Parts: sequence; structure tokens; C-alpha cells
Amino acid sequence: EADIYQTPRYLVIGTGKKITLECSQTMGHDKMYWYQQDPGMELHLIHYSYGVNSTEKGDLSSESTVSRIRTEHFPLTLESARPSHTSQYLCASSDPEPGQGSEKLFFGSGTQLSVL
Amino acid sequence: KNQVEQSPQSLIILEGKNCTLQCNYTVSPFSNLRWYKQDTGRGPVSLTIMTFSENTKSNRRYTATLDADTKQSSLHITASQLSDSASYICVVSDRGSTLGRLYFGRGTQLTVWP
Repeated sequence: EADIYQTPRYLVIGTGKKITLECSQTMGHDKMYWYQQDPGMELHLIHYSYGVNSTEKGDLSSESTVSRIRTEHFPLTLESARPSHTSQYLCASSDPEPGQGSEKLFFGSGTQLSVL
Repeated sequence: KNQVEQSPQSLIILEGKNCTLQCNYTVSPFSNLRWYKQDTGRGPVSLTIMTFSENTKSNRRYTATLDADTKQSSLHITASQLSDSASYICVVSDRGSTLGRLYFGRGTQLTVWP
């Protein structure tokens, strides 16, 4: 069981509201990520971080922002939510897998966001 | 264009039966391929990783294969259980960066009926 936690699990809000999706991990991983997932579609990377004070935009254009002030915490903020932001947001962290030369992702349970 | 294609999109089988899920990719260069299991309402969990030199790897009732020449992988599930009902996602990593960029398939939705 991965030690990475997302809150809230579900969120229904009105258009124009500011929201913050929380993500915390207790594994001490430097690398953290935010993915967006719609039903039947592949995960899309929207933000990632290699460590404290490091944040980068991912492949999918997003109006959200992230911060990484502490290793364990990687919150995602939407300043003004719109119906097009309705989706599932998955947070992940990663650690090099011993002997494999690659990173293994550990995912949180996700936040299902609905913007009305 | 680097892509990962999975088939079938969805699959229904009876408990106790076997099934095979397919993953074809065009990612190049290739570093490794992972299969993840995603239960409804949860995040994906890694099942196994296949590197360039590996052809077959088993983990309990899951057996993954990789043919790096044809760029195909399969995940075989033996003696399926109700708890196997989930989406199975194929993820391929390239060697284009220190991190290795990840390419995700859309997943195969497996439903196991009693």
C-alpha cells in the first residue's frame, strides 16, 4: 500500500471558485507528479517536480498551478474553476526501482472534481 | 509518433477463466514497459516491469511478456478472480531524459463475473 494521500476524494464546486487539491507522501520521494485522467482515456501529465522549489509543466496544457515548498507536499491550485476542469486528478511520487534503471510510480487514490 | 495502444478496450470473463491483454507500442528509444492495475476509484498500482532484455516475467497469477523486436507486450491472467476486475494500463518509458518520459495506454477494462 502506497503512502501517498490525496484530499478531498470528491469535490463538487461552482464555476469561478478557487480550489486546492492536496497531495502528501510519507515515502521521502523527491519526484512528484500530477496527472489528469478522464474515463477511458490515458493519463496526461500536467505538472511535475524533481524536488523542493522545483516545478515544471507537463505535456497537457493546464490552467492549474503547483508548489513544492516541502518534500512531502505537492498541492495543485485552480484559481478559477470551469466546467472543462471536470476530471479525475491523480497525484503520484516515484522512486528508482533497484536494479531496473527506471522510476516506479506510486499513486494516490485521486480527487474526482466536478465543476458545475 | 510515440504511442501505446492496448487491446481489447474492454473484456468480460467468468471467474476462473484465463485471459490475455495486449499492448503494442511505437515508443523509441525504449527503456522499459510497466503494467499497472487500477481498481475503480483508486490510483494505479504497479504489477510488473519489463526491460529490454526480459521476455517473460511472472508475478503470482500474472505473467507478462515482452517482444522488443515487434514492440508488443502481453499480460496473461490465470485463474481469474473477482478481485481482478480493474483497468490494466500499459506504460512505456523512453530513454530521452534522466527521468524517462512515460507514455500511457488507455487501459483494458477487465470485468470478472461470478
